Amino acid sequence: DGGITQSPKYLFRKEGQNVTLSCEQNLNHDAMYWYRQDPGQGLRLIYYSQIVNDFQKGDIAEGYSVSREKKESFPLTVTSAQKNPTAFYLCAAATGVGTEAFFGQGTRLTVV
Amino acid sequence: GNSVTQMEGPVTLSEEAFLTINCTYTATGYPSLFWYVQYPGEGLQLLLKATKADDKGSNKGFEATYRKETTSFHLEKGSVQVSDSAVYFCALSVNTGGFKTIFGAGTRLFVKA
Repeated sequence: DGGITQSPKYLFRKEGQNVTLSCEQNLNHDAMYWYRQDPGQGLRLIYYSQIVNDFQKGDIAEGYSVSREKKESFPLTVTSAQKNPTAFYLCAAATGVGTEAFFGQGTRLTVV
Repeated sequence: GNSVTQMEGPVTLSEEAFLTINCTYTATGYPSLFWYVQYPGEGLQLLLKATKADDKGSNKGFEATYRKETTSFHLEKGSVQVSDSAVYFCALSVNTGGFKTIFGAGTRLFVKA
């Protein structure tokens, strides 16, 4: 089954801890993205990667880090520097401009 | 810069009513335009798209026309169903030294039986 797999679906983190969200794709798409969605809000871009071993900051990168060591994987680490990490995180992949973005089912992160 | 503005929700309609969700954009160059739909607790799914001026995207009874002169891409459906209740996002894709998709804030639609 082709698509984007995010895990886990729900994640709880204690304050001061780093946590890594997984995103895997088997679509062979070059570009991958991480978005944050807060209740009743739109999507804000955290980081994106056009190609393996390269990534750029989006609009709200502070307190987050990513890696792109393999084409199919784009994990997001939420660090303790992120002051308000509780949100719904969405990973997406696309082939290029003019093409649709395919989304995973999301990870809901809650800081307890 | 590049941005998308869509009408605030929520929008509440009765079943079989006509739906319009307005979307306007600003962009450098020639963006592609999209509507995505998000059901509760899920990711986004593509609903329809248009890649050049005057193109009409359509799917599942929804349609939107790429209007370059008014920089708009309004979503319409002639007769909504309860199952259409969701959040709808207008988006554009543009190459800015790397391509990315920019989303509007989303419009929540409630359809009552």
